[in-house]
Order: sequence, then structure tokens, then C-alpha cells
Amino acid sequence: QQQVKQSPQSLIVQKGGISIINCAYENTAFDYFPWYQQFPGKGPALLIAIRPDVSEKKEGRFTISFNKSAKQFSLHIMDSQPGDSATYFCAANYATGAGSYQLTFGKGTKLSVIP
Amino acid sequence: ETGVTQTPRHLVMGMTNKKSLKCEQHLGHNAMYWYKQSAKKPLELMFVYNFKEQTENNSVPSRFSPECPNSSHLFLHLHTLQPEDSALYLCASSQGTRTRYEQYFGPGTRLTVT
Repeated sequence: QQQVKQSPQSLIVQKGGISIINCAYENTAFDYFPWYQQFPGKGPALLIAIRPDVSEKKEGRFTISFNKSAKQFSLHIMDSQPGDSATYFCAANYATGAGSYQLTFGKGTKLSVIP
Repeated sequence: ETGVTQTPRHLVMGMTNKKSLKCEQHLGHNAMYWYKQSAKKPLELMFVYNFKEQTENNSVPSRFSPECPNSSHLFLHLHTLQPEDSALYLCASSQGTRTRYEQYFGPGTRLTVT
């Protein structure tokens, strides 16, 4: 119930195309959904995040779409560039109670954008 | 740079060795975390420190021993490790545990246990 299921595991997209990564969850107590981007040799970095009361959030070429009823959210990368090649992790945050919080990560999607 | 540094970046150690990983954050954050990252598995949270106090230990074997002398520094002491402990160990920090969804990660230490 604390899991976040991420797909696909790997993705190859042509330069200029749209990359789409999907995540699904069960726990309706999740209250914040960040996406992290990790380049080889680096730690993950927060890319964009959304709250469940918003259906879409856009920052530049990156958009999160959120479907609360389906318990799914996705990352769309428009006009994908070779520099976007990285591993992307979705995550979900919730309050466990008594002032404690938990952040659960998906397994990651390795994106390769080919010229 | 994220403001979180980790040393060493690479470490090879035998199963009987003792070594330590170091993490330092320059962001003025109060919460610090250790994660284990293995291929094709979700990030595994190991320990959480808030204002120097350990608040979470996610059933981590005692061969991993964390230390947090102050809010800016975090160590992970390693002893008698197993080959399956080989992984990327990531340190992260956040303003507080309440805002752990916005974490800043270091580059990690690639650990190989032989």
C-alpha cells in the first residue's frame, strides 16, 4: 500500500518527441508527488512536483498530469532532448501521523533520447 | 552542485574492513538522510536524522552505524559488510522532515564489497 509503481523501466525516444513516464499508487493518504531526475554519477535532483488537488503542472518542457480518481500521475517531457537522458523517479509523500512523514520512490525509468 | 557533498566517491573494501562514509551539507538544513541505491530497486531509506537526533532506522543491519555530530555532517560507519551491500550510498538533506519531499542529494559513494 506504500508502494509507487512506475513504468516503463526504460524508454527510448527520438529527439523532439514526447517522453511519457507513468506512476500508480494505492495509498490515498499520499499528499505530494515529486519527480526526481538523476544523471549518471550524480544524485537525484528534484525536477517538478504536484499536489493531488491539481490536475496538471507545467514547468518549461516538463508537465505532470495527475488523475486522482485513477490514482495515477505521469511525467511528460515535451520536445525531448539528448540532454534529458537520465533516470527519472516518481515519488509520493504522506504523513504517517505524530509529526512523521514518509517519501516512497518508484523504481525509476531510464530515458534515452536519441538524435 | 546541490550543496551536499559526499566522500569518498568510490570505495572498495573487504568484508573484514572498517570504513566510514562522510556527508556534509551547506544548505542550513535540519534533516539528513542515508539511502541505499541498488540497480532496478527503489531507493531504500536507511536512516533519518532531524536536528542531530536519529528519528528513523529502517531495519538496517547493525554493520551499518550512522553518526550525526551536528546538523551539517552525517557519517555512515561500515564494518563486516557483505557483498550484497555493494551499492551507491546517497546522502540527502531537507529543511526538515516535514518537507522531506524536497530533498537535496549528494553525488553518492559507490561502494564495492569484495
